[in-house]
Amino acid sequence: DTGVSQDPRHKITKRGQNVTFRCDPISEHNRLYWYRQTLGQGPEFLTYFQNEAQLEKSRLLSDRFSAERPKGSFSTLEIQRTEQGDSAMYLCASSKGLARHNEQFFGPGTRLTVL
Amino acid sequence: ELKVEQNPLFLSMQEGKNYTIYCNYSTTSDRLYWYRQDPGKSLESLFVLLSNGAVKQEGRLMASLDTKARLSTLHITAAVHDLSATYFCAVLKETSGSRLTFGEGTQLTVNP
Repeated sequence: DTGVSQDPRHKITKRGQNVTFRCDPISEHNRLYWYRQTLGQGPEFLTYFQNEAQLEKSRLLSDRFSAERPKGSFSTLEIQRTEQGDSAMYLCASSKGLARHNEQFFGPGTRLTVL
Repeated sequence: ELKVEQNPLFLSMQEGKNYTIYCNYSTTSDRLYWYRQDPGKSLESLFVLLSNGAVKQEGRLMASLDTKARLSTLHITAAVHDLSATYFCAVLKETSGSRLTFGEGTQLTVNP
């Protein structure tokens, strides 16, 4: 296992700009998740893919957020017209589903700061 | 709506002492997970608990699950400084999709 990787690790942007993050899951993991974590809180679920299908989205995922997982491999999370409230750590996780009790393995995260 | 509560939220303890972190959840769940997070880092999986009465141990950490009480505990034995981190429990309910619902985390500081 090479682990879940995310890029970039840090992003500073100005309010109103668009940003895109990438996540590469552990190979052969068919499930991919995005979470958001603010300081002093536990991660909050945003969305989930099984292969290339986006099966679930949280109410936290406003219209400004969009996620894709073309071909069921890497995933991207785009935030349009960023707001200061979007500042957070964005975590990606992957799992093999029920084959391994749906244990989710997390990447290092992308820390977003919106000025 | 599934809610997960941990206590305490902050725990300062001396090396060599024992302590327990508690995780309560509001509805029946399918699995319970414990994660560790070091400052500025991502989450490291510690334990997966699948059924009532499950107990798992790794080094100085032992996790248990009581599904009837909707309670999991993470017990720390003879704490050492290296255990200083934030510990999260998370619950998965398959009928709510595959999302994990996390507690607020317990920030543990082990003092020499």
